Amino acid sequence: SAVISQKPSRDICQRGTSLTIQCQVDSQVTMMFWYRQQPGQSLTLIATANQGSEATYESGFVIDKFPISRPNLTFSTLTVSNMSPEDSSIYLCSVDFGGRAREQFFGPGTRLTVL
Amino acid sequence: DQQVKQNSPSLSVQEGRISILNCDYTNSMFDYFLWYKKYPAEGPTFLISISSIKDKNEDGRFTVFLNKSAKHLSLHIVPSQPGDSAVYFCAASALYTGANSKLTFGKGITLSVRP
Repeated sequence: SAVISQKPSRDICQRGTSLTIQCQVDSQVTMMFWYRQQPGQSLTLIATANQGSEATYESGFVIDKFPISRPNLTFSTLTVSNMSPEDSSIYLCSVDFGGRAREQFFGPGTRLTVL
Repeated sequence: DQQVKQNSPSLSVQEGRISILNCDYTNSMFDYFLWYKKYPAEGPTFLISISSIKDKNEDGRFTVFLNKSAKHLSLHIVPSQPGDSAVYFCAASALYTGANSKLTFGKGITLSVRP
């Protein structure tokens, strides 16, 4: 497993602004992912953060709304752009060490409220 | 279209008894299944997994059963303890050439273990 931290842990933002969430891992990992959990819903994959190249987005998510960076094997950021109240969610990063095991390990999450 | 379904939103059991959490899936390409536990204000914690080549995997008090023909899996917790009270997510992944190991989650079941 790994120690995964996220900043900020929570934030309250105004409509139309943007927030960047950071994810830091204490060891190099193969894969990093960003998920969203809307109130009362399951975790939904937003995108896979690829090191040194553009992120791979899932259906329904676009780069202009959720730009992602991954400059190295231990760090990634997710930006929620031009926020609306519908973006109020918990945002989680996860990591995968690759190999035969396919478990992902999650950070503590960032609780975002958009007013 | 929800590919992983946890149809019961909640379950309440007496301490010391067995907890059985159910999960159904629709995508026959899924070949690896995981259970996560989530406490409030924390990220999901990996519990146990099972590959589709097995029908049972056990780890201490936790056992996962897989019925491929029925596309059904269940998590058994014996004996249940008050500290097991949390939201439990079922997740599945499909490993195919060139794809990452992305996870598809169910909506979760809230387990309450009564002292």
